[in-house]
Amino acid sequence: KQEVTQIPAALSVPEGENLVLNCSFTDSAIYNLQWFRQDPGKGLTSLLLIQSSQREQTSGRLNASLDKSSGRSTLYIAASQPGDSATYLCAVRLREGGSEKLVFGKGTKLTVNP
Amino acid sequence: DGGITQSPKYLFRKEGQNVTLSCEQNLNHDAMYWYRQDPGQGLRLIYYSQIVNDFQKGDIAEGYSVSREKKESFPLTVTSAQKNPTAFYLCATRWGNTEAFFGQGTRLTVV
Repeated sequence: KQEVTQIPAALSVPEGENLVLNCSFTDSAIYNLQWFRQDPGKGLTSLLLIQSSQREQTSGRLNASLDKSSGRSTLYIAASQPGDSATYLCAVRLREGGSEKLVFGKGTKLTVNP
Repeated sequence: DGGITQSPKYLFRKEGQNVTLSCEQNLNHDAMYWYRQDPGQGLRLIYYSQIVNDFQKGDIAEGYSVSREKKESFPLTVTSAQKNPTAFYLCATRWGNTEAFFGQGTRLTVV
């Protein structure tokens, strides 16, 4: 059964710092991997989608990489800002037990201090 | 506005009651999903639907039911058989192999 792990569970950094969030998954037979942001009490906002054949995707200050063979993805945030404070979730899309699903990690709660 | 609309934002249920959560989309996406989010447990799949009039159970379907009579709508009913329904419920949609989009969620509380 696919398991997705995110490390660290929480991270606090000063404004302006570059940072890396980690996501690992146990089964490499995935269609794609998606990074989301969630603000307290809100839904999920899609940040980046990496297809299984891709190595990375970039959007503004965000860069996500995927190493499918080792079961790892990283989300790099450059020049962090207080507005980046949120919980970041990664999810892999796969077919498992006859069901097509997104399997989520538990998230990394990021706090960027002014 | 294009997107996913979940209603209500907050819902209170008495013991033994069935309640229905609404999810409507105008993105013309084929696939729709319901997830439950509990503190410290991440998101877990309840049900999903790839096409109209068809849906499949996810990992935690017991105590829940769904219907998909229209492409735009995928309502979730939380039945009295669900013993611990207090949670944050999220609806999502997807088209093809593209990214999934989520609604703003419904917070259900048992009173």
